[in-house]
Amino acid sequence: GEDVEQSLFLSVREGDSSVINCTYTDSSSTYLYWYKQEPGAGLQLLTYIFSNMDMKQDQRLTVLLNKKDKHLSLRIADTQTGDSAIYFCAETGPGKLIFGQGTELSVKP
Amino acid sequence: EPEVTQTPSHQVTQMGQEVILRCVPISNHLYFYWYRQILGQKVEFLVSFYNNEISEKSEIFDDQFSVERPDGSNFTLKIRSTKLEDSAMYFCASSGTSANEQFFGPGTRLTVL
Repeated sequence: GEDVEQSLFLSVREGDSSVINCTYTDSSSTYLYWYKQEPGAGLQLLTYIFSNMDMKQDQRLTVLLNKKDKHLSLRIADTQTGDSAIYFCAETGPGKLIFGQGTELSVKP
Repeated sequence: EPEVTQTPSHQVTQMGQEVILRCVPISNHLYFYWYRQILGQKVEFLVSFYNNEISEKSEIFDDQFSVERPDGSNFTLKIRSTKLEDSAMYFCASSGTSANEQFFGPGTRLTVL
């Protein structure tokens, strides 16, 4: 069945790079997404990648996609304390998004 | 920048009562969704809605749940007889001509006592 897996926690120091990893199961997913959720807030679409791409860069964010291994990663360069949040990976299912359990990123000054 | 809005932000209800959660999707969007997130768990798909009818629903979306687009702007989720396990954050989302890029509202926290 469809499933998306992420590690639960990541802690980095301010200024370092953060890499959040995700594995998914549905090879037919057209898009793969990263959403950010700050405490008490909704889901903010950060970026997405088409399944026929290997990499997408958007300012401090770099998304890498390995279709063979069904592995997606989000790299945040120069991580700031404002980046502290939960990051959700999501794949597209039929008419819906399937989310991972979220990775809580903690940025220490 | 257009955004999805939801009301109320927090709803407290007694078990067995009916609740209606309201959403205003982005105005030119055609696809509408409800998701829920039980505290500490994954965001789970409930239902999608297109062209005034349900297009997909999950096994969570049983007969106690219904959705409606009563006018050109609102999209509602009704839970007829709430249970304790319905306590969760409920997110509305909408997408435009592509059924993939979904924009989420801030959520309604439902607490069933």
